[in-house]
Amino acid sequence: GAVVSQHPSWVICKSGTSVKIECRSLDFQATTMFWYRQFPKQSLMLMATSNEGSKATYEQGVEKDKFLINHASLTLSTLTVTSAHPEDSSFYICSAPGRGSLDTQYFGPGTRLTVL
Amino acid sequence: SQQGEEDPQALSIQEGENATMNCSYKTSINNLQWYRQNSGRGLVHLILIRSNEREKHSGRLRVTLDTSKKSSSLLITASRAADTASYFCATGLSGGGADGLTFGKGTHLIIQP
Repeated sequence: GAVVSQHPSWVICKSGTSVKIECRSLDFQATTMFWYRQFPKQSLMLMATSNEGSKATYEQGVEKDKFLINHASLTLSTLTVTSAHPEDSSFYICSAPGRGSLDTQYFGPGTRLTVL
Repeated sequence: SQQGEEDPQALSIQEGENATMNCSYKTSINNLQWYRQNSGRGLVHLILIRSNEREKHSGRLRVTLDTSKKSSSLLITASRAADTASYFCATGLSGGGADGLTFGKGTHLIIQP
């Protein structure tokens, strides 16, 4: 099956620093990837759609200048949390549509961000 | 925006029993999917049902979809301890992977050995 990886799996940073999270499709190409965030004991919320070769589209209420998305290649999307604050602490998960069925999303294992 | 609502929010049953989770949504959909998430991990796709389908089976899983009521149910038969996880329904507005998914709040399922 399609595999999506994320790096790092967890990160702790100081308030005010920037953190980059990578999402890679390992055995397939993805012109589109999605970024979600999940607070403890809550559901996933779509943050933005990452598009290879064009700008990302952000969901309402998500600050594009704070959450920078770059879809560098057909297998890599990055999410950079700029000037992180404790309220940005969350579980960030990416996904990509599968090869066989584009309607099925394959999710990465997630990145746990803790901002001190 | 969050549109799915699952119930119950938490469910604890004995191993071997059947577990039923329900999901409601608000807008028109192209498909509805169910995912499993083990604690602190990524999501695993379980099953997808399209808007023109009413029921679908996959192993011990049975999913129903009622578009008139905007609701779906997930039945896990003969539950096992390894089924302990959170289960989410998710809806897609358009096909072809063009849109991200809208997730329900999830049901936390605990299977007692």
